[in-house]
Amino acid sequence: GQNIDQPTEMTATEGAIVQINCTYQTSGFNGLFWYQQHAGEAPTFLSYNVLDGLEEKGRFSSFLSRSKGYSYLLLKELQMKDSASYLCAVMDSNYQLIWGAGTKLIIKP
Amino acid sequence: NAGVTQTPKFRILKIGQSMTLQCTQDMNHNYMYWYRQDPGMGLKLIYYSVGAGITDKGEVPNGYNVSRSTTEDFPLRLELAAPSQTSVYFCASSGPGLAGGELHTGELFFGEGSRLTVL
Repeated sequence: GQNIDQPTEMTATEGAIVQINCTYQTSGFNGLFWYQQHAGEAPTFLSYNVLDGLEEKGRFSSFLSRSKGYSYLLLKELQMKDSASYLCAVMDSNYQLIWGAGTKLIIKP
Repeated sequence: NAGVTQTPKFRILKIGQSMTLQCTQDMNHNYMYWYRQDPGMGLKLIYYSVGAGITDKGEVPNGYNVSRSTTEDFPLRLELAAPSQTSVYFCASSGPGLAGGELHTGELFFGEGSRLTVL
């Protein structure tokens, strides 16, 4: 079966750095996505990785290792508005997105 | 820009009632999707469409139906509502797709969600 694992909840301090991990087992691989979802709102796109390595976009970076079935989302200089759930999703060989359950990130002052 | 618009935002149904969730997008996207999201769970794909006149079942299609008569609209029909259908429903779109010769990027644009309760 297809499976995506990410921690249920994480806590970090304002101004700090946090890394949210995602491991996956899917039928084929056509890219990995990170979405941000604030409580009561729709998910919004953060990043897309299809090749190994680090993609940096402002305070957010996303890393992928296809051989290990592993990705992480790195958030720097945390702000209170970063409190949200972060969803990892993998596009399989049929170009369907398989979603993880999401990691709820709590930022404390 | 409106993006993806879905209605209603909230609805309470009685068991056995039927209803339609409306979804429309103004970005001329080929792909459209309906997901449900239950607490603590990932998004589950109900149905999707790769273009007008074409629909396919996703992971959890039972109890639902869709149609895609135009590029813009992708309504989701719930027949004989059951408590198990209590959830938050999201419509999404993306494009272009493989048929256009461009790789489907997977970046989805979501509607604001519809919170449905079946009692």
